[in-house]
Amino acid sequence: AQSVTQLDSQVPVFEEAPVELRCNYSSSVSVYLFWYVQYPNQGLQLLLKYLSGSTLVKGINGFEAEFNKSQTSFHLRKPSVHISDTAEYFCAVTRMGGFQKLVFGTGTRLLVSP
Amino acid sequence: DSGVTQTPKHLITATGQRVTLRCSPRSGDLSVYWYQQSLDQGLQFLIHYYNGEERAKGNILERFSAQQFPDLHSELNLSSLELGDSALYFCASSVGISGVIQETQYFGPGTRLLVL
Repeated sequence: AQSVTQLDSQVPVFEEAPVELRCNYSSSVSVYLFWYVQYPNQGLQLLLKYLSGSTLVKGINGFEAEFNKSQTSFHLRKPSVHISDTAEYFCAVTRMGGFQKLVFGTGTRLLVSP
Repeated sequence: DSGVTQTPKHLITATGQRVTLRCSPRSGDLSVYWYQQSLDQGLQFLIHYYNGEERAKGNILERFSAQQFPDLHSELNLSSLELGDSALYFCASSVGISGVIQETQYFGPGTRLLVL
């Protein structure tokens, strides 16, 4: 079975500062990794995904994440955040093979203040 | 906009009642997944349908059932509702053509269910 740990439930940061949201996963088989964002009162939007190849993946809205197999991590980063980035961020994992359920972390609330 | 639609957006009902949530996947997507998001359980997988057939079950209660119709839309039926069933219910879809693996799920806006 797969599991995801997002250690930080909330990350406060000032506008234009860099941010890193941490995600660690556990799995005995190869996995795909995802970051989703949920803005207040909205659904989940895919930010980026790691399937294979380059371990640094770039997503929408200036976000990027790095897959580290040895550390079983997939941390999300943005060099300069905006107020509009305030949202809940979910890391998710699914085992390779297609049509597999997503296993989500508990989410990290990013709070960007002026 | 992900292309996945869900109706209704909000639903308020009483304990013991039955409700039906509807999901229309993105055009061309054959797979539909249902997830429940609650404060105490987080985001949890409920069930997966592919081209009309149930493929996998997660933490879905026996009071809950789902189906996927020939036009590929899906319905999640929740019966004998309890206060603890109050949650946000998401549907997600992905492409599922035979021989083609599609790993990315696109989520709808969700249906917020409140059981009073």
